Order: sequence, then structure tokens, then C-alpha cells
Amino acid sequence: GAGVSQSPSNKVTEKGKDVELRCDPISGHTALYWYRQSLGQGLEFLIYFQGNSAPDKSGLPSDRFSAERTGGSVSTLTIQRTQQEDSAVYLCASSRPIRGPRDYGYTFGSGTRLTVV
Amino acid sequence: KQEVTQIPAALSVPEGENLVLNCSFTDSAIYNLQWFRQDPGKGLTSLLLIQSSQREQTSGRLNASLDKSSGRSTLYIAASQPGDSATYLCAVQVRETSGSRLTFGEGTQLTVNP
Repeated sequence: GAGVSQSPSNKVTEKGKDVELRCDPISGHTALYWYRQSLGQGLEFLIYFQGNSAPDKSGLPSDRFSAERTGGSVSTLTIQRTQQEDSAVYLCASSRPIRGPRDYGYTFGSGTRLTVV
Repeated sequence: KQEVTQIPAALSVPEGENLVLNCSFTDSAIYNLQWFRQDPGKGLTSLLLIQSSQREQTSGRLNASLDKSSGRSTLYIAASQPGDSATYLCAVQVRETSGSRLTFGEGTQLTVNP
């Protein structure tokens, strides 16, 4: 596609429910990233996928969070047993294949605004 | 650990002024630095990307500079307009053993008054 597509754009869920957030990166972008932006705070790295390599999950805040990337394209971020502190905007970004020092910039999606009530 | 700081946190200027936003980072071993714009309730829009080997990039009224050795970047906006009002984020890309990620500053919230 022309850009990074995220769905849904808004999600309101009850505390304790599971949610799935979807990211469809730009075609040909092998690197995919999830970030979280809580109200009044900066962007927090969550997870990174690069091609067929094992993902970097070091930013996931708890074991309630998981992510998959199927076929090297679409990614799903799953939050189980949601808590109120999970309320945030979840942003997905993709970039072209990393080829050493001349890495390319990111393209971000519009985000999913998650509200846990 | 890489840390990115942006100064000022907020800036309010009258229309037509030239302005400078500042970004500093603690680890100069970066691959690139990127400036983004974020409008309220929206995602991030990439403005300029400076590779580590470059010193500046220009796009229209925007000019970004990079001094890797001192860990600084500036975003210069010429002849500011009300439509420039947004939060401006600076981010550096570093390479780690398992891949690569962006480290963001907290942003500068810009308001351009008509």
C-alpha cells in the first residue's frame, strides 16, 4: 500500500478483555516496529521485526503483550487481560531493509487509540 | 543507553517568525537522525532524515542540521505559519545487536499565532 495502515483507529475495551491491533506495513518494508505513546509521554519502543530474524521483544512491558508478524508482512499486537494503564496510542512503523550504516527512515501509521475502561 | 533531549518543551511565536528547535543525544554512534511532526490525535509524519555522514537536510521552509560529534541537531523553520503548529519530535536510530530502533525525544510543542 501507499502507507502504513493500522486498524482499528480507535478501540474502547473493558478492563480484563483481550484486544488485537493490526498493522499493515508498506509493501517491501521488511522492518516493522511497534511503539506506544501514553498521554503526555514520549514514544516507548515495544517490539521490532526484521525479516526472518527473531524479533526484538525487549520493549514489551509485560507478558500480557505479544506480537506476531505473518508472512513477513502484516503484524498483530495482542494485549491480554487489558488494564487501565494500557490506555495509549499504539503506533506501528515500517522501514526498508537495513543495509548497514545507511539505514532508511521510518514511515509511521496513524495509530490505534486504545482506551481501557 | 541513548537519551534524547529536546529544548524547549513548548514554544509560542507570532506568525512569520523564524525559529529553531533543539535536539541533543548522549551517544554519538548513531546511524541517522529523523525529525517528525505530530498533530493532535494523529500519527507521526516524517519531515527530514539526516544520515550520520551528512550535516544537513532541507525541505521547503525546513532545514535540519546534524553535529554528530557534539550530539546535537537543530530544526530551523523559516517564516512560520499557523499551520506549522504541532509537536515536533526528534529521533535517533542506533544499531543494537538484535536490530535497530528509534529513540525519541519528548518533543517540542509549537504554537504559531496568527
